[in-house]
Amino acid sequence: QVQLVQSGAEVKKPGASVKVSCKASGYTFTGYYMHWVRQAPGQGLEWMGWINPNSGGTNYAQKFQGRVTMTRDTSISTAYMELSRLRSDDTAVYYCARCMLSPFDYYGMDVWGQGTTVTVSS
Amino acid sequence: EIVMTQSPATLSVSPGERATLSCRASQSVSSNLAWYQQKPGQAPRLLIYGASTRATGIPARFSGSGSGTEFTLTISSLQSEDFAVYYCQQYNNWPRALTFGGGTKVEIK
Repeated sequence: QVQLVQSGAEVKKPGASVKVSCKASGYTFTGYYMHWVRQAPGQGLEWMGWINPNSGGTNYAQKFQGRVTMTRDTSISTAYMELSRLRSDDTAVYYCARCMLSPFDYYGMDVWGQGTTVTVSS
Repeated sequence: EIVMTQSPATLSVSPGERATLSCRASQSVSSNLAWYQQKPGQAPRLLIYGASTRATGIPARFSGSGSGTEFTLTISSLQSEDFAVYYCQQYNNWPRALTFGGGTKVEIK
């Protein structure tokens, strides 16, 4: 079945970096964008950006420009999100989610990973 | 940046009743709006895209309407499994910036 499986929980100190992985299965990895969305404790959803697994092209939310890097390894159908210079307010659950690879039409994020909890604490 | 505002923050509804959730955009997003449902401890689930098109497997009791700056998600007869938080998301500048609303929690009255 189609699924996205994310890496496990992380605890980091302020100023460090974290890299979260998202392994896709059950579909053609290069046929869908991969988005990253985060959710701070008790808060709403915040879109961080996407990567096109086919080309490697990325688009980041302005808020995260310069701190986030999204990459992929097509040989193992895995996407990565690395966030640097972590602060306490980066503590959140980070989700990956796919959407169909179309630059003109958007059909929503139809499959989500289970989420990865990242805790930033000294 | 387009700001999405959802109201009310919390909606108390009895099972079997209709629920009406609102989402307002700070500028027109045409019909470029999606809705998601999130239950505690779970990832969000896509309900609606294109303001009114149900995603695969979504029951007909969920319907979306609106265009421009005003949107509505209606749940015609609330089932126990529908008590959750609902988020709207605009994608008017796709494939560029996407933004979510702050969410509406639908709770049991």
